[in-house]
Amino acid sequence: EVQLVESGGGLVQPGESLRLSCAASRFTFGTYTMSWVRQTPGKGLEWVANTKQDGSEKNYVDSVKGRFTISRDNAKNLLYLQMNSLRVEDTAVYYCASFDNWGQGTLVTVSS
Amino acid sequence: QAVLTQPSSLSASPGASASLTCTLRSGINVGTYRIYWYQQKPGSPPQYLLRYKSDSDKQQGSGVPSRFSGSKDASANAGILLISGLQSEDEADYYCMIAHNSAWVFGGGTKLTVL
Repeated sequence: EVQLVESGGGLVQPGESLRLSCAASRFTFGTYTMSWVRQTPGKGLEWVANTKQDGSEKNYVDSVKGRFTISRDNAKNLLYLQMNSLRVEDTAVYYCASFDNWGQGTLVTVSS
Repeated sequence: QAVLTQPSSLSASPGASASLTCTLRSGINVGTYRIYWYQQKPGSPPQYLLRYKSDSDKQQGSGVPSRFSGSKDASANAGILLISGLQSEDEADYYCMIAHNSAWVFGGGTKLTVL
């Protein structure tokens, strides 16, 4: 069974940084476009960023452009999201996902 | 106007069928897109159900029962998730998604109540 396991979430203050990781197993990681999707508790899904199979193309939702960076290491089956200059409105559960497989999510809380 | 619009809630009886719609904004042609459908239950991540573009371009998620199916209504510019033989375990939030301009765009979700 495919496993995507996120880590790195936590409580930070506005303006601080976090790096999320997603470890993929039993999954042909390098053949998939991978995304980060977030969900505020009780709310809907918001796509944050994606990276194509070889990492050559990266796309971001406007609200995180210039603050977040997505990257991947296909040799290690790892996906990352570097989040800088975090804002209160970035508070959410962050999911690592291909179109057909999602991780359990990691909670990021930005609060003073 | 949102890119994808879903009704916020829908109720149906056990054993009945439920048709969940995902309407694309005017100017975005449903015929061009694969529509992805996800089910999310409280406390769990979304689960992939299926994707549908046409009868020749569709995919059922692994282990997803055949009573979940996709279609389109071109006249309404909408994707449709049909759930037949509703069961209590189908009570959940359902989200549609398209890949639009290199981004994933989600609908706001439909809360399906089975009662």
